[in-house]
Amino acid sequence: GENVEQHPSTLSVQEGDSAVIKCTYSDSASNYFPWYKQELGKRPQLIIDIRSNVGEKKDQRIAVTLNKTAKHFSLHITETQPEDSAVYFCAASRPGGSQGNLIFGKGTKLSVKP
Amino acid sequence: DVKVTQSSRYLVKRTGEKVFLECVQDMDHENMFWYRQDPGLGLRLIYFSYDVKMKEKGDIPEGYSVSREKKERFSLILESASTNQTSMYLCASSFGYRGVAGELFFGEGSRLTVL
Repeated sequence: GENVEQHPSTLSVQEGDSAVIKCTYSDSASNYFPWYKQELGKRPQLIIDIRSNVGEKKDQRIAVTLNKTAKHFSLHITETQPEDSAVYFCAASRPGGSQGNLIFGKGTKLSVKP
Repeated sequence: DVKVTQSSRYLVKRTGEKVFLECVQDMDHENMFWYRQDPGLGLRLIYFSYDVKMKEKGDIPEGYSVSREKKERFSLILESASTNQTSMYLCASSFGYRGVAGELFFGEGSRLTVL
């Protein structure tokens, strides 16, 4: 079945460094790839997303890149700050008649040390 | 601001009890979802609905059912709670027609403990 693999499961960086989280998906028909951030005790919230007709998208310190051929996409956070500490989830749209729902990766716990 | 409200933040139930988790959204979204979140397993889809009185199974529907009698309300039902259903349950909604993926707006979650 459809699957989204996410790596690494934990990531620790120094404040000011960059962080990269990678995801691969199994079905080439997926066409929407969002990233959600979940701070401790809070709900997941969308931070950036990309559709399959675009290779890269940026929003201030965060960017997402998509390689459709290799079926992988990545989240890049530059100049990390302590408030970036959270669990990040990637997701891919489910192909076929149910594209309204998403398959999530297992999450990456990012810790930014001051 | 989109608001997705889950009726209970914390529940403690006994094995075999029937459990209702309620979710209400105020943005007239067509799509509503129930996810289960467990450490190391991410978010797994239980059921979803694209329209009133419509429901479809997700990846882990066993032991659960849902009800959507009104557009704004989507209920998750555990007919006979078991200890392996102890988890965080997240409701979400999104705008858009069936077949078009869009931003999910999540509720704050309902943490269920089954003893």
